[in-house]
Amino acid sequence: KQEVTQIPAALSVPEGENLVLNCSFTDSAIYNLQWFRQDPGKGLTSLLLIQSSQREQTSGRLNASLDKSSGRSTLYIAASQPGDSATYLCAVTDNYGQNFVFGPGTRLSVLP
Amino acid sequence: NAGVTQTPKFQVLKTGQSMTLQCAQDMNHNSMYWYRQDPGMGLRLIYYSASEGTTDKGEVPNGYNVSRLNKREFSLRLESAAPSQTSVYFCASNHNNYGYTFGSGTRLTVV
Repeated sequence: KQEVTQIPAALSVPEGENLVLNCSFTDSAIYNLQWFRQDPGKGLTSLLLIQSSQREQTSGRLNASLDKSSGRSTLYIAASQPGDSATYLCAVTDNYGQNFVFGPGTRLSVLP
Repeated sequence: NAGVTQTPKFQVLKTGQSMTLQCAQDMNHNSMYWYRQDPGMGLRLIYYSASEGTTDKGEVPNGYNVSRLNKREFSLRLESAAPSQTSVYFCASNHNNYGYTFGSGTRLTVV
């Protein structure tokens, strides 16, 4: 059974810092990996999707990498801002692509 | 705006009452999903529908039923609500595995 973990569980940084969030999964036979952002009391907003054949994806200040063989992904946030404060979740699908398994999330606080 | 729409946003039920959570997407996606999110448990899949006319159980299906009414709509029904079903429920859709789009959620409290 696929299991997804995220480290750290919570992170607090001053504004302007670059930071890395980590995601690990136990079964490397994944179809894709997706990073989401969730604001308190809100739904999930998709940030980046990485297909299993890709190594990384970039969107603005965000860069996500995927190392399928080692079961790891990282989300890099450059020049963090208070508006980046949220919970960040990663999720992987199996090779059938029909079920995302979610990690527990990393709660990020960026202090002004 | 295109996306996934869930109704209602909030609901309080008494134990034993029934209700249906509605979900609709206008992106012509094939697959639709219902998740619940609980503190410390993360997001867990209740049911999913890979295409119109098909439904399958996820990780935590007990106490729920679903209907894929057409390609746009996927409803979740609680026949006899229990306090353990207090949660935030999210509907999502997916097309050809190009990532998920989520609705804004339904916060359900069962007293």
